Amino acid sequence: AQSVTQLGSHVSVSEGALVLLRCNYSSSVPPYLFWYVQYPNQGLQLLLKYTTGATLVKGINGFEAEFKKSETSFHLTKPSAHMSDAAEYFCAVSASNPGGYNKLIFGAGTRLAVHP
Amino acid sequence: KAGVTQTPRYLIKTRGQQVTLSCSPISGHRSVSWYQQTPGQGLQFLFEYFSETQRNKGNFPGRFSGRQFSNSRSEMNVSTLELGDSALYLCASSFSGYNEQFFGPGTRLTVL
Repeated sequence: AQSVTQLGSHVSVSEGALVLLRCNYSSSVPPYLFWYVQYPNQGLQLLLKYTTGATLVKGINGFEAEFKKSETSFHLTKPSAHMSDAAEYFCAVSASNPGGYNKLIFGAGTRLAVHP
Repeated sequence: KAGVTQTPRYLIKTRGQQVTLSCSPISGHRSVSWYQQTPGQGLQFLFEYFSETQRNKGNFPGRFSGRQFSNSRSEMNVSTLELGDSALYLCASSFSGYNEQFFGPGTRLTVL
């Protein structure tokens, strides 16, 4: 079974400050991990994903995340927040087999607010 | 390349009715997944279809069903609607089992 826990349903930062959104996962098989962003009245957009290989993953819009197996974490960071980063962010896990890859299990989401 | 399209974008139904939602994947994509998003339960996986076969299913009652056509377009059906079925239904497509899923804008269903 797989599950995702996102710590903090709401995070508020100042423009230019570090963004840190936390995600911990549980998986009985080697996981694939994802971060998605959702803007109001829109679908989900993939920010980045970890499948295999390098544990530090770089994504779009300056975001990156590090897969830490020992901590079962996949936290999302961005060095400097921009007003346009305000959105809801979802961490997700899936199984690393063809049948389970497209079955995403999502966390509850973190709403990021960016203040001037 | 056109993205994932979902129709209709908004839908209002009453309890007991049934509804059919449609999803057209990105050209060439063979996998279509469906998700339900509600404020209380968050994002939940409904099912995935690949080459017209249901490959994965989430924990939803039998009132929720789907199908996929030979052109990879997919429909999901909810019968005997309940108030709790009010949600944003998202469709996602990918080329095959190991590729990124691209999400559509969703269909917002309101059950009165």
